Amino acid sequence: GAGVSQSPSNKVTEKGKDVELRCDPISGHTALYWYRQSLGQGLEFLIYFQGNSAPDKSGLPSDRFSAERTGGSVSTLTIQRTQQEDSAVYLCASSLQGSRYNEQFFGPGTRLTVL
Amino acid sequence: GENVEQHPSTLSVQEGDSAVIKCTYSDSASNYFPWYKQELGKGPQLIIDIRSNVGEKKDQRIAVTLNKTAKHFSLHITETQPEDSAVYFCAANSYSGGGADGLTFGKGTHLIIQP
Repeated sequence: GAGVSQSPSNKVTEKGKDVELRCDPISGHTALYWYRQSLGQGLEFLIYFQGNSAPDKSGLPSDRFSAERTGGSVSTLTIQRTQQEDSAVYLCASSLQGSRYNEQFFGPGTRLTVL
Repeated sequence: GENVEQHPSTLSVQEGDSAVIKCTYSDSASNYFPWYKQELGKGPQLIIDIRSNVGEKKDQRIAVTLNKTAKHFSLHITETQPEDSAVYFCAANSYSGGGADGLTFGKGTHLIIQP
């Protein structure tokens, strides 16, 4: 079966432009997470979706960041007016249900470079 | 919220020797501790996890130990092989931050297996 997929794999953009990053979770997984991985750093939580519940946005670093999840499946992370400090690898993960013990399956990530 | 510290940041061992990576956590309510392996260009992959009701778990050459009193847990890899070279992340579940069912990650350990 297919794992978590993300697109694009690489994105280079100019400062000030908006970008959209896409995540396709594993079919049937109700929980979806976005993380940011900066060079030499761990994974920084950004946002969490569980079923039809309101998302947990507590990790979003600024109001330039937003995310949607349509139909309980595909998710899009949008960064508006990108800044150089937004350069990082953005990882998406999904799990079968939002239980505390469920394994999170990660996609390969989108490497974002803001010039 | 939860804070996870991971050491060392880089670990180089001879092939065949053992490797140990250590993590500490701050939230005594955390009760699930997974370890992820991230190979170059890929997303993290779960390799082993432990819940707080046990002190040790083993899977072939990999073992994890947990000391709840001291709030630290460790990954042990024996008889290391070249394919063990990767970045390893520890994590702890968190009730605040990281999403209601999310994880707080350490900053990672780059494990290098010398031939």
